[in-house]
Amino acid sequence: AQRVTQPEKLLSVFKGAPVELKCNYSYSGSPELFWYVQYSRQRLQLLLRHISRESIKGFTADLNKGETSFHLKKPFAQEEDSAMYYCALSGNTPLVFGKGTRLSVIA
Amino acid sequence: DAGITQSPRHKVTETGTPVTLRCHQTENHRYMYWYRQDPGHGLRLIHYSYGVKDTDKGEVSDGYSVSRSKTEDFLLTLESATSSQTSVYFCAISPRSLETQYFGPGTRLLVL
Repeated sequence: AQRVTQPEKLLSVFKGAPVELKCNYSYSGSPELFWYVQYSRQRLQLLLRHISRESIKGFTADLNKGETSFHLKKPFAQEEDSAMYYCALSGNTPLVFGKGTRLSVIA
Repeated sequence: DAGITQSPRHKVTETGTPVTLRCHQTENHRYMYWYRQDPGHGLRLIHYSYGVKDTDKGEVSDGYSVSRSKTEDFLLTLESATSSQTSVYFCAISPRSLETQYFGPGTRLLVL
């Protein structure tokens, strides 16, 4: 079975502080992992996926197969980063999403 | 934004009435999906389609049916709406099963 766990419902950080949004997954095969972001009352949009290994809006995520994690990181948070973040996994079935973490960046 | 629209964008209905939500795409993507988004639950897959007339159930399919008679349209029907189906419904599309999904703007449904 595919499962994604985002342990934090809410994460509050000050502007300029580092951010780490945690994501752990359960899947026996080789997963495709994604981070999606949803700004207030907008549609979900892809932030990044692990195979592209690129940085989007200053965010990066590394797949750690040993720890089955795909944590999202940014060295310096900005106010415009405040949003809902979803980690998602695609294995042998369509995307399974975590329950999401709301990031609040305090000025 | 990918060419995905949803209609209606907002709907209020009464318990026991049928409701149909429409997702329309202009990208010619093979896969289409319906999710519901609820606080504390994130996004949960209701049904998805992997081609015209080809559909399968997701995690929370009870009380919902779908149809896809054309590549560009994917309909979600609540046969007899219940208050527990009050939610925000998102449609998504992707060219292949493990590829990035692109989401529509969502439909807010309130069942009284």
